[in-house]
Amino acid sequence: TQLLEQSPQFLSIQEGENLTVYCNSSSVFSSLQWYRQEPGEGPVLLVTVVTGGEVKKLKRLTFQFGDARKDSSLHITAAQPGDTGLYLCAGYWYNNNDMRFGAGTRLTVKP
Amino acid sequence: GAVVSQHPSWVICKSGTSVKIECRSLDFQATTMFWYRQFPKQSLMLMATSNEGSKATYEQGVEKDKFLINHASLTLSTLTVTSAHPEDSSFYICSARFRSDTEAFFGQGTRLTVV
Repeated sequence: TQLLEQSPQFLSIQEGENLTVYCNSSSVFSSLQWYRQEPGEGPVLLVTVVTGGEVKKLKRLTFQFGDARKDSSLHITAAQPGDTGLYLCAGYWYNNNDMRFGAGTRLTVKP
Repeated sequence: GAVVSQHPSWVICKSGTSVKIECRSLDFQATTMFWYRQFPKQSLMLMATSNEGSKATYEQGVEKDKFLINHASLTLSTLTVTSAHPEDSSFYICSARFRSDTEAFFGQGTRLTVV
């Protein structure tokens, strides 16, 4: 079983602040996905990163994949109340067919 | 993104009965489907991985005789919770992917309540 660590698990900030969520593993990812989940719904894919050192942007969200492909981060700039939700990283590893999730980061942005 | 439909969205059943949950990929052929379970305020826990036409691979601690998974076609997988008990109450989510190097897309989840 691959261990995928995600931190922090809970984050409560004021509107306009920045934040970073981290996801890492002791093994090399073949690819890593970031999802966002609203209560009572399935996760929705935000981005997939594959190449070491890759940086992808989605409006105010910036996703980075570590050079060694063992870690990734999600940075949100000027957070808004609409960003509130559960953010999940999920990874595939080369020696495993499964996709497994981190513990999730429950973000609350207060107006 | 691709569309994965899960049905039903919610179900209430009596203890001891069985419940079937369907997961369909609507616009692509899913060679692999995953089933997850999610408790309140927690992340998704992988229950099993199923490849079309073969037996599902269950995670350690997941009873395969209780959670029956069938992936009979490239667009449909089913999860049957047999002899359900209140502790089986949870949010069950499926995902599907076309190939091993492509993203997985999720259904909207099924809220199961066993009374």
